[in-house]
Amino acid sequence: GDSVTQMEGPVTLSEEAFLTINCTYTATGYPSLFWYVQYPGEGLQLLLKATKADDKGSNKGFEATYRKETTSFHLEKGSVQVSDSAVYFCALSEGYGGATNKLIFGTGTLLAVQP
Amino acid sequence: NAGVTQTPKFQVLKTGQSMTLQCAQDMNHEYMSWYRQDPGMGLRLIHYSVGAGITDQGEVPNGYNVSRSTTEDFPLRLLSAAPSQTSVYFCASSRTGLVVNTEAFFGQGTRLTVV
Repeated sequence: GDSVTQMEGPVTLSEEAFLTINCTYTATGYPSLFWYVQYPGEGLQLLLKATKADDKGSNKGFEATYRKETTSFHLEKGSVQVSDSAVYFCALSEGYGGATNKLIFGTGTLLAVQP
Repeated sequence: NAGVTQTPKFQVLKTGQSMTLQCAQDMNHEYMSWYRQDPGMGLRLIHYSVGAGITDQGEVPNGYNVSRSTTEDFPLRLLSAAPSQTSVYFCASSRTGLVVNTEAFFGQGTRLTVV
């Protein structure tokens, strides 16, 4: 079945450092890809998404590009802030064109940014 | 806007007890789902519903029941709690139909401990 693999954490960075969190996926169809973020004590919220190959999702300085050839959707940010400290989840939606609501999540990566 | 509301936020149960986790959304979303979040395992789908009167099993349904009598509410019942059900539970909702790649909205979670 479909699956998502993301790098294990925790990832500890100093403020203003460059961030990369790797995510790769396995899917039989043409999934949509997502990054969700979970701040301490809260539920998940959508950070960005991409619906087809070569699409780039971006939000709040974060970016990720849907790479079908490498089945990857790595999350990047040029300069992290303390307020970015959270758990980041890579996810895909099953089915062709992402036309279902089932989400498959990676295990999550804890990011800790130090001042 | 309230979004997705889960109650209670915290709960301690004894092995063998039953309880219901409540989930309500005010966005008129057809699709609702329950996930459990465990360390190192990400979020796993327990049950989901595509509309009132329609439910189906996810990846880890054993020990849980759901029903969907209204669009707004999607309660999760633990029939006979076991320590293996100690987890954080999240309810989520989203639109369905031909709208693809719709954003899932999550509640703040219920932290359940079974002793």
